[in-house]
Amino acid sequence: DAGVIQSPRHEVTEMGQEVTLRCKPISGHNSLFWYRQTMMRGLELLIYFNNNVPIDDSGMPEDRFSAKMPNASFSTLKIQPSEPRDSAVYFCASLVEDFSSTDTQYFGPGTRLTVL
Amino acid sequence: AQSVTQLDSQVPVFEEAPVELRCNYSSSVSVYLFWYVQYPNQGLQLLLKYLSGSTLVKGINGFEAEFNKSQTSFHLRKPSVHISDTAEYFCAVSVTGYALNFGKGTSLLVTP
Repeated sequence: DAGVIQSPRHEVTEMGQEVTLRCKPISGHNSLFWYRQTMMRGLELLIYFNNNVPIDDSGMPEDRFSAKMPNASFSTLKIQPSEPRDSAVYFCASLVEDFSSTDTQYFGPGTRLTVL
Repeated sequence: AQSVTQLDSQVPVFEEAPVELRCNYSSSVSVYLFWYVQYPNQGLQLLLKYLSGSTLVKGINGFEAEFNKSQTSFHLRKPSVHISDTAEYFCAVSVTGYALNFGKGTSLLVTP
């Protein structure tokens, strides 16, 4: 299995531009998570989908951030407009959510976003 | 709400020495506990997890952790570290088992 795939791996953009980060979860996984990692705040859960439905988006910083999961194999995290304080590494993770067990979250390699 | 405190931001250690990375959690309900490792420029990888049962949990790469409910701790240990263990280590807590709250991380630096 290829694991969780994220693209792009690096993104440099200017303040005010729209940024779209992409994630392909592991096939068969029914839950997907977006995290943001910064030096100041560490790893923060932004949003969590189960069966393509957003379950908890309380970690989304503000209206400039939006996430979608149109199907089981694809998710996007969009920032519009981007600001320098959005610079961070964004991770996507997926797992099989089963009420009879607790599975492991598998993380992608991350997208390093720099907003100038 | 539950939270995690990793007591050391950096831990330097010599190769083949033992190491302990400390983690304390706070929660009013029963929790699941995890340790993840992040190698440079990579995503996080699960080392081990505590769900229930035996309080001593063994993970990959020779690591183990002990759940101590009375002290609300979940410290990670390895009896003899290698250079390749140099990485960032994250403790995480969850009530549901999947939505994780991570600590700030501990940077383990192993030197010859």
